[in-house]
Amino acid sequence: DAGVIQSPRHEVTEMGQEVTLRCKPISGHDYLFWYRQTMMRGLELLIYFNNNVPIDDSGMPEDRFSAKMPNASFSTLKIQPSEPRDSAVYFCASSHSGSPGNTIYFGEGSWLTVV
Amino acid sequence: AQSVTQLDSQVPVFEEAPVELRCNYSSSVSVYLFWYVQYPNQGLQLLLKYLSGSTLVKGINGFEAEFNKSQTSFHLRKPSVHISDTAEYFCAVSDTGTASKLTFGTGTRLQVTL
Repeated sequence: DAGVIQSPRHEVTEMGQEVTLRCKPISGHDYLFWYRQTMMRGLELLIYFNNNVPIDDSGMPEDRFSAKMPNASFSTLKIQPSEPRDSAVYFCASSHSGSPGNTIYFGEGSWLTVV
Repeated sequence: AQSVTQLDSQVPVFEEAPVELRCNYSSSVSVYLFWYVQYPNQGLQLLLKYLSGSTLVKGINGFEAEFNKSQTSFHLRKPSVHISDTAEYFCAVSDTGTASKLTFGTGTRLQVTL
């Protein structure tokens, strides 16, 4: 089975540019998560969806960040405008509510550098 | 709300030696507990999880963890480590009500050397 697929794997962009990160969850999973990992803050949950509906976006740092899930197989995380402090690894993850403990499966991450 | 404390940011160990990575959690409700591993430049992979039942949980790659409710701990152990175990290890907790929302610790870097 294919795991969680993220693109791009690496992105270098200039400050002020728009960045769009993409995610395809595991087929059949009804939860989707966006995490950010930095040296300073570790792993932070930004937002998560259940059945394509945003449930908790309290981790989204500010209005420059937005996330959408137009259907069960696709989600985007957008940063506009980007800033150097947004440089981080962004992980998408998914899980299925029917599995005990709802094991969360992570993608390999999108490594973002804003210069 | 839950929180997780990983007491050691780095643990150096020689190959074939035993290792314990410590994790303590805080929660006012029942919890599920997890250990994830992150190899360099990769995503996180589940090592093991405690949901209920036996407090000793066995995972992949020879790792095991013991849930101790009275000490609110979930320490990860391996009797003999290998160079390939060098990675970052994350302890995580979720409450059984909102089982999908994980709170992670800050991670422990396990460095195995010859």
